[in-house]
Amino acid sequence: KNQVEQSPQSLIILEGKNCTLQCNYTVSPFSNLRWYKQDTGRGPVSLTIMTFSENTKSNGRYTATLDADTKQSSLHITASQLSDSASYICVVIRYNAGGTSYGKLTFGQGTILTVHP
Amino acid sequence: EAQVTQNPRYLITVTGKKLTVTCSQNMNHEYMSWYRQDPGLGLRQIYYSMNVEVTDKGDVPEGYKVSRKEKRNFPLILESPSPNQTSLYFCASSPSWGWGNTIYFGEGSWLTVV
Repeated sequence: KNQVEQSPQSLIILEGKNCTLQCNYTVSPFSNLRWYKQDTGRGPVSLTIMTFSENTKSNGRYTATLDADTKQSSLHITASQLSDSASYICVVIRYNAGGTSYGKLTFGQGTILTVHP
Repeated sequence: EAQVTQNPRYLITVTGKKLTVTCSQNMNHEYMSWYRQDPGLGLRQIYYSMNVEVTDKGDVPEGYKVSRKEKRNFPLILESPSPNQTSLYFCASSPSWGWGNTIYFGEGSWLTVV
């Protein structure tokens, strides 16, 4: 079954601290993996996109890693800010059953991050 | 400005009354898709479209229809809404879903079926 599991479900940290969010997936066949940030009631916003050949991708204070062999990814947030409080969603894109297109997206349930002053 | 626009943003309707949620993008993207987001279940893909007149089912297509007659528009149709379709719906578009392309999401449509 195609699944994306994220941990922890929620996380509270103090402003200025670092944190790491985890994503494990069983999606196959794999095309690419993305991390999104979603503020409450808003649409998700892209943070990083990674293919199976990429190990690390950075976007400012956000650094994503991918181990395609173990099917694990992580999102590391450095020097957290209050504005980082949001849900962080791991998304895996796979091919359809016929292998003719890669339009199917499977989402993790997200990690709710709260940054306190 | 690159935009994915959904309408309506908020809607309360009654069981069985057909409704359409519109989605429009101004970026000439080929790929468009619909999702629903429910507490504890996260986002789930309903339908997606690779181009005009080309659509495919996502993971939860039951109770929904879509059409892609023009490149910029991808409406979601609920022929006979039921209370279990109460949810937050998102439309998204992308040049493609290949590794180099960002997926842009709309702001969401809150739908309540009573």
